[in-house]
Order: sequence, then C-alpha cells, then structure tokens
Amino acid sequence: GENVEQHPSTLSVQEGDSAVIKCTYSDSASNYFPWYKQELGKRPQLIIDIRSNVGEKKDQRIAVTLNKTAKHFSLHITETQPEDSAVYFCAANRGGSQGNLIFGKGTKLSVKP
Amino acid sequence: GAGVSQSPSNKVTEKGKDVELRCDPISGHTALYWYRQSLGQGLEFLIYFQGNSAPDKSGLPSDRFSAERTGGSVSTLTIQRTQQEDSAVYLCASTPIINTEAFFGQGTRLTVV
Repeated sequence: GENVEQHPSTLSVQEGDSAVIKCTYSDSASNYFPWYKQELGKRPQLIIDIRSNVGEKKDQRIAVTLNKTAKHFSLHITETQPEDSAVYFCAANRGGSQGNLIFGKGTKLSVKP
Repeated sequence: GAGVSQSPSNKVTEKGKDVELRCDPISGHTALYWYRQSLGQGLEFLIYFQGNSAPDKSGLPSDRFSAERTGGSVSTLTIQRTQQEDSAVYLCASTPIINTEAFFGQGTRLTVV
C-alpha cells in the first residue's frame, strides 16, 4: 500500500542550530503534506502544511519544501529552541482527493540548551 | 468550541474481552480517522470515514477490529477478544473537509492484561 518514509528517527541538535527532517512518499496522487508536532503526553498538532501546487512554504522559524518529481518533502526548523523538543510526524494524503492521511513513523527531536 | 472528544481516557481490560472506544468529532467535520500509537511509536492508520462514502478499512490489523460512524458524527471502534498486543493509545481525529488540518482527540489508552 501507500507508504510514507521518515528520516531520521531521532535527531539531537544544539540550541540555535537548524534541524532538518525528511520524508518520502509513494503515492503519485498525493497532493497534501502536513507536519504534526507531538509533545510528550499530548496529542499531535499541525504546525505547517504544504500542497502540491507550491514548492516551499515558510512560517517564522519553520519551513517545508516539496519536490514532487522526487516524491519527497522536508521540514526545516531554524534557530532551534528547547521548546522545539518533541516528536515530529510528516504525512501525505492517500489518493489525492480521497484525503486519507498516512503518517511517517516520526522523528524525536531533542534540542540541547 | 469543543474539540475532538474521546472516551474513555483510559481502559484496562482482561485478555479476551471486547472493548468499545468512542470518538465525538468536532461538529460539522466530515472526515474522521482512527489511528493507533504504541509506546514511543508512530501513528498507525486504522480506518477513515469521509462523508457518506464507504470507509477505508485497509488499516485494520485483523478482523477483531471494526468501526462504525453513526449519522455522520460519533464513531465507535470495537476490538473483540482483545490481545496484549492491542495495548496502545487509540487516537481519533476529524477534519472539516478533506485535505485540511486534522484535529486530534486526547486518545484512549488501552491496556490489555
């Protein structure tokens, strides 16, 4: 079935450094790519999303890039802060218009002060 | 307004018993998802409801799992003859229309002893 691969599974950075998380997807019909942040013991929450008609989207310290040809998209966090520490999940919609979200396995980001 | 509500928050059951998990999505949301999250793991897709369309059940791990959504609103996930490997947090999410932000409930932590 459709698959979303996410790397790395864990990432440790120093405060102020940048963090990059990468995902690939297999369904060529996918056209919606959200990123969710899950803090310990809490529910996942959307932090940014991108649709297939754009290649990049930025919101303050976070940005997402999309390469449709290569079927991969990435999350970039600049000037990381300890409160960025969490598990980050990428997702892609299955079958495009169907809307079903398939998630990657997550990246545990640790930002060391 | 109220977010996605799940009940119970915690459920401890004996192996072999049946359990029902409930999800109340945000009013008016047409799409509803069930995911399973084992300790420290990713979001495993289970089932997806979208409007009046036939649900996507492709993620259900065995025929012991079933779900229904009544009246396009409340959903119930049923696990029959529970096994220890069913222990996990079961998360429900809803979206107002497809390919937009999914709002997650707080989850039901199921422990099978």
